[in-house]
Amino acid sequence: EDQVTQSPEALRLQEGESSSLNCSYTVSGLRGLFWYRQDPGKGPEFLFTLYSAGEEKEKERLKATLTKKESFLHITAPKPEDSATYLCAVQTYNFNKFYFGSGTKLNVKP
Amino acid sequence: NAGVTQTPKFQVLKTGQSMTLQCAQDMNHNSMYWYRQDPGMGLRLIYYSASEGTTDKGEVPNGYNVSRLNKREFSLRLESAAPSQTSVYFCASSEAGNTYQPQHFGDGTRLSIL
Repeated sequence: EDQVTQSPEALRLQEGESSSLNCSYTVSGLRGLFWYRQDPGKGPEFLFTLYSAGEEKEKERLKATLTKKESFLHITAPKPEDSATYLCAVQTYNFNKFYFGSGTKLNVKP
Repeated sequence: NAGVTQTPKFQVLKTGQSMTLQCAQDMNHNSMYWYRQDPGMGLRLIYYSASEGTTDKGEVPNGYNVSRLNKREFSLRLESAAPSQTSVYFCASSEAGNTYQPQHFGDGTRLSIL
């Protein structure tokens, strides 16, 4: 069964304290892995797409990496405005099926 | 840029009532999706439409119907609402399904069923 698991469920950081969020997956065939940011009361906002193991993408303080079994979202020197829920999703060989993890709620304290 | 627009934003229903959630996108995307989001469970796919004129069941289709009215619009209907359908519903769209394109989401409809 295709499954996506994110950890931790919640993470509290001090401003400037770097950390990583994990997304592990077991799917029949990975076509792409997506990271989203979701603010309260809003829909998910697209951040990154990763296609193959070893690939990395960066945007400001965020860097996403991908292995054959998991992806990490590294947050370097976070700021309070980085506080949000971060979701990952995988797209399988059925291009129209996306499987989402339950998210990591990040809280960055000033 | 409007992107994906969902209406209404909030709705309270009584058990047994029916309603339709509306979704429209202005990005000329071929594929559209309906998800529900419940605490601790992530987004779960209800139905999707790979292209205009086609619809398919997702992970949790029971109790719902959909209509792909045209390329822009994709509606979700609850025929007889049940308390278990209390959730936040998100519509999303993406370019043609056979590409590695991300989904773009609306801001959701918060639905409570009493």
